[in-house]
Amino acid sequence: DIQMTQSPSTLSASVGDRVTITCRASQSIAIWLAWYQQKPGTAPKLLIYKASTLESGVPSRFSGSGFGTEFTLTISSLQPDDFASYYCQQSNGYRTFGQGTKVEVK
Amino acid sequence: QVQLQESGPGLVKPSGTLSLTCAVSGDSISGSNWWTWVRQPPGKGLEWIGAIYHSGSTNYDPSLKSRVTISVDKSENQFSLKMNSVTAADTAVYYCAREVLRGLDVWGQGTTVTVSS
Repeated sequence: DIQMTQSPSTLSASVGDRVTITCRASQSIAIWLAWYQQKPGTAPKLLIYKASTLESGVPSRFSGSGFGTEFTLTISSLQPDDFASYYCQQSNGYRTFGQGTKVEVK
Repeated sequence: QVQLQESGPGLVKPSGTLSLTCAVSGDSISGSNWWTWVRQPPGKGLEWIGAIYHSGSTNYDPSLKSRVTISVDKSENQFSLKMNSVTAADTAVYYCAREVLRGLDVWGQGTTVTVSS
C-alpha cells in the first residue's frame, strides 16, 4: 500500500497569510495526487488534480506542485472562506488519503 | 448538473451487514468514470473504501477487501456498497463520489451509519 503523510496536522494562520501544506508518498506516484477541502458537516470538495491542475471554479489563490513523492498545496493569500481541513489523495493504484491538515484561525 | 445521493439504514447491528446505495443523476453510470465509496469516522480523516467501473471491474482497499462488495445497477443508474461483519469501528459518514481524471469531483452529501445494538 502507498502511505500518504501530510504535514502539518494543524496550521494556525491569519487572513492574508501564504499557507503551504505538504504531502509525502511512501513511493513514487508520479503526478497522481489530488487535494480536497472539507468544511465541518459537508462533503469534501476537489481543489486540484494531477498534482497541479486546478479544478474548474476553484480560486486561483490555490495551487499545487510536486512530482514523485513530495507535493505541496499552497494558498497564496488566505481568505476567511479557506479555514477548513485539507486532504491529499494518491490515485496511483489503490487510492489512499493523507491524514488531513486543519487550517485554523491564529 | 451531476448529483449523487446515498441511501440506506442509519443503524446496523454489530456483526451485521451494512448496505448503502448511491443514486446517480445527470450522468450515466455507464460512462468512462469510476464510482467510489469513501467513509469518515467521527472526528477522523477520510478513508477510501473502493470503486467500481460500469463493466463490473472493482478495486478495494486491501484492509477492507474481505468484507466489502461494490456492485453496479446500470438499469437504475446506481451503485451499491455492502460491508459484512461490521463492528463499532465501521461507524462513519459514508460518501459516494465520481472519479474523473483520478480526482473525486462530485460527491454525495454523505449518510451516517452507526453500528450499535
